Amino acid sequence: AQSVSQHNHHVILSEAASLELGCNYSYGGTVNLFWYVQYPGQHLQLLLKYFSGDPLVKGIKGFEAEFIKSKFSFNLRKPSVQWSDTAEYFCAVNARDNQGGKLIFGQGTELSVKP
Amino acid sequence: GAGVSQSPSNKVTEKGKDVELRCDPISGHTALYWYRQSLGQGLEFLIYFQGNSAPDKSGLPSDRFSAERTGGSVSTLTIQRTQQEDSAVYLCASSLALAGRETQYFGPGTRLLVL
Repeated sequence: AQSVSQHNHHVILSEAASLELGCNYSYGGTVNLFWYVQYPGQHLQLLLKYFSGDPLVKGIKGFEAEFIKSKFSFNLRKPSVQWSDTAEYFCAVNARDNQGGKLIFGQGTELSVKP
Repeated sequence: GAGVSQSPSNKVTEKGKDVELRCDPISGHTALYWYRQSLGQGLEFLIYFQGNSAPDKSGLPSDRFSAERTGGSVSTLTIQRTQQEDSAVYLCASSLALAGRETQYFGPGTRLLVL
């Protein structure tokens, strides 16, 4: 069975600090990888996604993520966070075989950015 | 264009009552998903509809939960004889099913509280 693990439950940073949120998945086949963000009081929004090709993907608002197949990882990064990045971040995976597109989510990481 | 919409946004009900939650997917999206977001369990897949195919019900937690999708568009999630552990945010997502490379877009959710 697939599973996704996010290493950090709650991260607190000051503005301009660099961010890296860890995500590891467990699945033997080919996967699609996603990061979603949920700002306070808002719904889940897609931050970035990886299907194939260049393992370094860039998303909205200066976020990027790198797929490292050998490590089953898809860590999210941002060089300099802003107060407006305060949100909960979810890593998600789905299998690219005949299992439909259902997403398996990590437990989420709450990011608090201090102004 | 319009995103995924859900209604009601909030629902308070008494234990033992039935509830219906509605999802309007993005126009033209053939795939529709229901997920549940709760404090203890994170984000969990419930059910998946794709075109005229039989739905994938593998995530439904009990036979009190059911869902239908009429005319390939609107979907209703029904919870019969609600229990307190059903309290959660119920999220709907839709996508263009693109042979394993789909992106799911989420609605704002229905926050259900069972007293």
